[in-house]
Amino acid sequence: NAGVTQTPKFQVLKTGQSMTLQCAQDMNHNSMYWYRQDPGMGLRLIYYSASEGTTDKGEVPNGYNVSRLNKREFSLRLESAAPSQTSVYFCASKRTSGVGVLAQYFGPGTRLLVL
Amino acid sequence: DAKTTQPPSMDCAEGRAANLPCNHSTISGNEYVYWYRQIHSQGPQYIIHGLKNNETNEMASLIITEDRKSSTLILPHATLRDTAVYYCIVRVDQGGSEKLVFGKGMKLTVNP
Repeated sequence: NAGVTQTPKFQVLKTGQSMTLQCAQDMNHNSMYWYRQDPGMGLRLIYYSASEGTTDKGEVPNGYNVSRLNKREFSLRLESAAPSQTSVYFCASKRTSGVGVLAQYFGPGTRLLVL
Repeated sequence: DAKTTQPPSMDCAEGRAANLPCNHSTISGNEYVYWYRQIHSQGPQYIIHGLKNNETNEMASLIITEDRKSSTLILPHATLRDTAVYYCIVRVDQGGSEKLVFGKGMKLTVNP
């Protein structure tokens, strides 16, 4: 059981380049989330997907797009990267029903540097 | 979601209990208290949560005051690996539409 996995672990982009951050979970969770964390700051929600086939904006969605490819996978795309998007990106997933803890479980993060 | 207040940092000696406070004076009756922690450079890790009653699991204990305006996370025997930023969050369980609001948290340093 790998939990939440993210690829790549680290990426350097030039301004204007595009890329997709991948996230997958093997816990059969319904909901998935993308956060960013800037130095010395808490996490901020970019987008989330409450269930397969749905996505919604979070606190800081500008400059990003997402795709909930299936129940397991939730990708985050930067169409035209900017230096302000230099950050650490975390994906999370959560079960939304049933017995037990309904907490978010996080991946290890992707460190993105935009030059 | 209700706002929380935590001290910015705290030190604790290895092997001693670490008591991490959190104020949430505007908490609503249907809001839970959740604790996460983030060890350097890693993704946040769920620790424990509660509504009214005190809770305990293999990682920690959570003590919530009777008026629910504050809580304390207790790590009974702190180790060096417990050095991390600890986040206290209050939220309503809203299925998948929840928006966890992470503030700056509290840096716990466990000293040898």
